[in-house]
Amino acid sequence: GAGVSQSPRYKVAKRGQDVALRCDPISGHVSLFWYQQALGQGPEFLTYFQNEAQLDKSGLPSDRFFAERPEGSVSTLKIQRTQQEDSAVYLCASSVRLASTGELFFGEGSRLTVL
Amino acid sequence: GESVGLHLPTLSVQEGDNSIINCAYSNSASDYFIWYKQESGKGPQFIIDIRSNMDKRQGQRVTVLLNKTVKHLSLQIAATQPGDSAVYFCAESTVNDYKLSFGAGTTVTVRA
Repeated sequence: GAGVSQSPRYKVAKRGQDVALRCDPISGHVSLFWYQQALGQGPEFLTYFQNEAQLDKSGLPSDRFFAERPEGSVSTLKIQRTQQEDSAVYLCASSVRLASTGELFFGEGSRLTVL
Repeated sequence: GESVGLHLPTLSVQEGDNSIINCAYSNSASDYFIWYKQESGKGPQFIIDIRSNMDKRQGQRVTVLLNKTVKHLSLQIAATQPGDSAVYFCAESTVNDYKLSFGAGTTVTVRA
């Protein structure tokens, strides 16, 4: 596609449910990032992939969060046993470069609401 | 219109006027800075970037100014248009790093 695609756009989960958020980056983009954006705040780094390798997961809030990119293209962010504090917009971004220098292309995000 | 002080969460500007959005960054080691625009319900969109070896960079209708002495960054938008209404974020990083640290953002509202 022309841009980064994320699905679902909106997800409502009951506390304790597991959720999976999908990201289709721009074709050929080596770098893929997940960011979490709470209401009224700037995005915060969660994790970084270079092709299929997860090079940094230091921003994941807890071990309930898990991300993968098995074939170096599509990525999935999974949240187990969701809690209310997990409610946020989850943004995926990709870049043709190996570092953040230069333009990051963001998707429109997946808005997660945990009841 | 201009945001007073280092950072204000909102800025109201008359259509056609110039806008100035300010940002204070915290990490003196940061050497790469980016401005993003985020419209409601959308992801951040790259506007312009600047490296620390520069103090000014111009794009189409936008100018970014960097003052490393006081760790201050600003975005100037010329002839502000209704389509410029959005939340604007500054982000900092180092050239060889992959993490961006975003500020809290400034909401710009353009009055017709």
